[in-house]
Amino acid sequence: SQKIEQNSEALNIQEGKTATLTCNYTNYSPAYLQWYRQDPGRGPVFLLLIRENEKEKRKERLKVTFDTTLKQSLFHITASQPADSATYLCALTGGDSSYKLIFGSGTRLLVRP
Amino acid sequence: GAVVSQHPSWVICKSGTSVKIECRSLDFQATTMFWYRQFPKQSLMLMATSNEGSKATYEQGVEKDKFLINHASLTLSTLTVTSAHPEDSSFYICSALLAGTSTDTQYFGPGTRLTVL
Repeated sequence: SQKIEQNSEALNIQEGKTATLTCNYTNYSPAYLQWYRQDPGRGPVFLLLIRENEKEKRKERLKVTFDTTLKQSLFHITASQPADSATYLCALTGGDSSYKLIFGSGTRLLVRP
Repeated sequence: GAVVSQHPSWVICKSGTSVKIECRSLDFQATTMFWYRQFPKQSLMLMATSNEGSKATYEQGVEKDKFLINHASLTLSTLTVTSAHPEDSSFYICSALLAGTSTDTQYFGPGTRLTVL
């Protein structure tokens, strides 16, 4: 069965450091992979989308990589700030006409001041 | 741009009653909206796909007669939880697909916390 795995343990880092979150998937060939941020009691907020033929995508302090051979995406936040503390979700779609998203369980990031 | 709202943001109801949740795309038209459910410390689980002017498509294991979805316009989809029971207590989140884009980015609403007593 299709499976998306994110580290369930919280990632605790010092302000200013780079946070790296991992998303692994099995039995899946997604056309797109997306990363969302979710704060407690709120809906997810879209951050970045990367296509299967793209290796890397950047947006300000954010960087996403996508390795379809390893079936893995890495999400980096450089110069992290306490305001970056949240749960980060990866989501995949097969790219079919349904546009359905399958979400990972998310990784909570805590940035200490 | 691409703002999605939900109403109400939270609701408490008695067991056996029905609750309606609205999802609106405020600054764009959405022919496709999605409804998700999220239990504490778990990820979002897709419940159904709502298509404007046609019947919703439900995911396996989701009772269509219990979770009624109506997508009557390009900016509004509603989810009605009928005969709610305590096990239906959850965080319900909708999303809207921005039409005309080449990628399938969904914009999410802020969620509705449902508590059934």
